[in-house]
Amino acid sequence: RKEVEQDPGPFNVPEGATVAFNCTYSNSASQSFFWYRQDCRKEPKLLMSVYSSGNEDGRFTAQLNRASQYISLLIRDSKLSDSATYLCVVNRDYGGATNKLIFGTGTLLAVQP
Amino acid sequence: DTAVSQTPKYLVTQMGNDKSIKCEQNLGHDTMYWYKQDSKKFLKIMFSYNNKELIINETVPNRFSPKSPDKAHLNLHINSLELGDSAVYFCASSQAPGTSGGRTSSYNEQFFGPGTRLTVL
Repeated sequence: RKEVEQDPGPFNVPEGATVAFNCTYSNSASQSFFWYRQDCRKEPKLLMSVYSSGNEDGRFTAQLNRASQYISLLIRDSKLSDSATYLCVVNRDYGGATNKLIFGTGTLLAVQP
Repeated sequence: DTAVSQTPKYLVTQMGNDKSIKCEQNLGHDTMYWYKQDSKKFLKIMFSYNNKELIINETVPNRFSPKSPDKAHLNLHINSLELGDSAVYFCASSQAPGTSGGRTSSYNEQFFGPGTRLTVL
């Protein structure tokens, strides 16, 4: 079983739809949580951090539930440009020297015109 | 003004060969990483270096040898290439979490290079 689990999709949605991605992680020592976005044949880029209180960035809302080790991402009013793979990522600190990011396998989103 | 750069972008080679991938960052970061993304798109950390010192080695075969000549560079040399080494290799960099005001700062964003697509025939 992978440490970070995501539904691989693909999620095919029409423009304007609301889509939700879910993710679970198994290591309770995980300290911080993120969603990364990866376009086809490109590098991953940080989309947003995820906090227990929930946080929003424009059309994107992320939520963390530490008790159930569950992370979510909601995208409202989907645009064609949102089409990408969304990677759920957890981080473990290595005592100040480095971070260790653990990536989920990613969920592919295809927004249709 | 590229932040994290890698060369080459594409690498096609025969089994058994030795090859190197270079990575450079101009962000002034002190921590650099190598990741491997396999054919199933699963991205996994291989190595992490902080100030030229190896911190993370994720049970990577010893055919893979990272070298960090200075904080801005982390190169990856691969000996005796195998078919299973075919993947996209991403370099990344960040500031180390470090401490601020006596507390550990848990995360600084990692910036990824554009990737090197390695194909072993």
